[in-house]
Amino acid sequence: NAGVMQNPRHLVRRRGQEARLRCSPMKGHSHVYWYRQLPEEGLKFMVYLQKENIIDESGMPKERFSAEFPKEGPSILRIQQVVRGDSAAYFCASSQAPGMNTEAFFGQGTRLTVV
Amino acid sequence: AQSVTQLGSHVSVSEGALVLLRCNYSSSVPPYLFWYVQYPNQGLQLLLKYTTGATLVKGINGFEAEFKKSETSFHLTKPSAHMSDAAEYFCAVSDPNNDMRFGAGTRLTVKP
Repeated sequence: NAGVMQNPRHLVRRRGQEARLRCSPMKGHSHVYWYRQLPEEGLKFMVYLQKENIIDESGMPKERFSAEFPKEGPSILRIQQVVRGDSAAYFCASSQAPGMNTEAFFGQGTRLTVV
Repeated sequence: AQSVTQLGSHVSVSEGALVLLRCNYSSSVPPYLFWYVQYPNQGLQLLLKYTTGATLVKGINGFEAEFKKSETSFHLTKPSAHMSDAAEYFCAVSDPNNDMRFGAGTRLTVKP
């Protein structure tokens, strides 16, 4: 049973380009969470999705950022027109349906560098 | 919505000394509580979790945490620090119908 897979591990984008970060949850997990970790800062919640639904996006910047978790395929975090301040590590986690097993399993992260 | 506060963004201890990392939570329903560890340039790994039952929870690498409802706390301890414990530690809370929220993290430094 493979863990949470994120790709790419490292992504370099020029200012103004788009960044697409992918997250494949663990098998059987239908809940995905995205977090951003800025240098020397903690883990900041961005968005919580279930299949085809955004449950909580209170941590997402209002502009340029979007997330989806389609019925088939990985969850995608999309950042349009990236700026230097978007440089960070983006972590994805997945869990089973809420309940006793709400433990989240994390991917290795995608490190985005905007140049 | 639930939230987590970790007191102390940096904690430094000597090798062999007690490790105490503090976590207080806020939740409108009985919470599920977690501690995760992050080593440099890696993702988060689960150390231990509390869901129901015994309030003293033992995890990996000699860590344990105690759920104290009256204090809304879930502090992480280890009797004797090892150099390999140097990492960032995150406390997290979730409830049965909501998403998981993390504290800001505590960076643990272990001095020889």
